[in-house]
Formats: sequence, C-alpha cells, structure tokens
Amino acid sequence: DSGVTQTPKHLITATGQRVTLRCSPRSGDLSVYWYQQSLDQGLQFLIQYYNGEERAKGNILERFSAQQFPDLHSELNLSSLELGDSALYFCASSSAAGGRTDTQYFGPGTRLTVL
Amino acid sequence: GNSVTQMEGPVTLSEEAFLTINCTYTATGYPSLFWYVQYPGEGLQLLLKATKADDKGSNKGFEATYRKETTSFHLEKGSVQVSDSAVYFCALVYSGGYQKVTFGTGTKLQVIP
Repeated sequence: DSGVTQTPKHLITATGQRVTLRCSPRSGDLSVYWYQQSLDQGLQFLIQYYNGEERAKGNILERFSAQQFPDLHSELNLSSLELGDSALYFCASSSAAGGRTDTQYFGPGTRLTVL
Repeated sequence: GNSVTQMEGPVTLSEEAFLTINCTYTATGYPSLFWYVQYPGEGLQLLLKATKADDKGSNKGFEATYRKETTSFHLEKGSVQVSDSAVYFCALVYSGGYQKVTFGTGTKLQVIP
C-alpha cells in the first residue's frame, strides 16, 4: 500500500459526459501528479501540482483540467468525454516540488470506461 | 526530447532463470533513472532507482546500474520467481526544476513454474 488513495476505482459513463477523479496523496506529500495509461499511448504524464499550484504540464488535453486543494487532495476533471478517453488514470505523490531524485508513489488508479 | 526505450515483451521465463530487461535512454542534462513494477490490477510501485552515473539500484533481488557511457539502465535478477510476473517500466526524470517523468512502454514478464 503506497498511501496514495484514488476514488472511484471504476467509472463507466457515456460520450459527451463529464467526470471527476479524486486523489489523496500520502501524508506529508506536497506534490500530486496525474497520469493516463492506455493500450495505444502507454503511460503518459498529464500534469503536476505542488502545494496548490500547477508545476508542470504534460500531454493534457484542453478538455481536461485539474486542481489541488488546500488540504492537498487533487481532482482531475474530464469533460466532453470521447471513446478514446477510456483508460486507467493514475495519481502519484511525492514529498517535494519534484527534484530529479524525488520518488513518486502511485495510487491504485481509476479505470474509466466511456461508452 | 527525452525518451526511454525498453525491450519489447512479453518475456517468458522458467522459474529460477536469469532475467535481463534492457532499457536505454536519451536525455539532456543528468537524469535520474527508475524501474517501476506493475502487478496485475494494481498501480505502479517503485522497484529501484539510481540518481547518478555508476550508481547501482537494488531491491528484492533486482539490480540495475546507471551506465552513462552506454545510456543504459538494464534490469537484472539472478533467479526469478512466479511472483515476479508483472509489467516492468523503465523511467527517467531529468533535472529541470520540476519532475516530469518519461516512461518506457513497459515489458511484460511471465514466469512459469
């Protein structure tokens, strides 16, 4: 158990809908990262937040957005969903802003299925 | 840009066989290198890491050495067990003031009794 929690575990929705994925980092960790894992794209970094502020951006679509709240939990919002958004979404956390030696601890993931 | 190349899987081995999963990278600056493991139905777990050239990371019988001259970080284990069956990801983090991880495509390992 990494100490990172994600809810829900599974999510099934329809095209065009909007969903929110939630992540609670390990106790004391200030950084939260979001990743998308799909069969065709592999594991892709989406976005990082550090202590409430956006820190780094990866391959995140404009239809997706995220935020980190004062209690350090984070939410990833996915809107106007398409079939291709079906994937596993992972959250990870680390203690600091993300120096190159930091270790990221991953949650169990949310499996999103868009029908 | 930064990239990680892993050997294609799946890799099928008999129990107690020797394992090597190749990983090479391209990066600017001085990256740190990681191996993560993903068991079926679970998230990624850190297996080992190395933060500078010639460092050796090790954990649970797995080892990998950061080779700057060959830009490689190959994963090895002397004697695999059925419980090692999983997908293994090589990853790099470069020094850019923030942590942006680049993952390889993953190599599936299946160990048969």
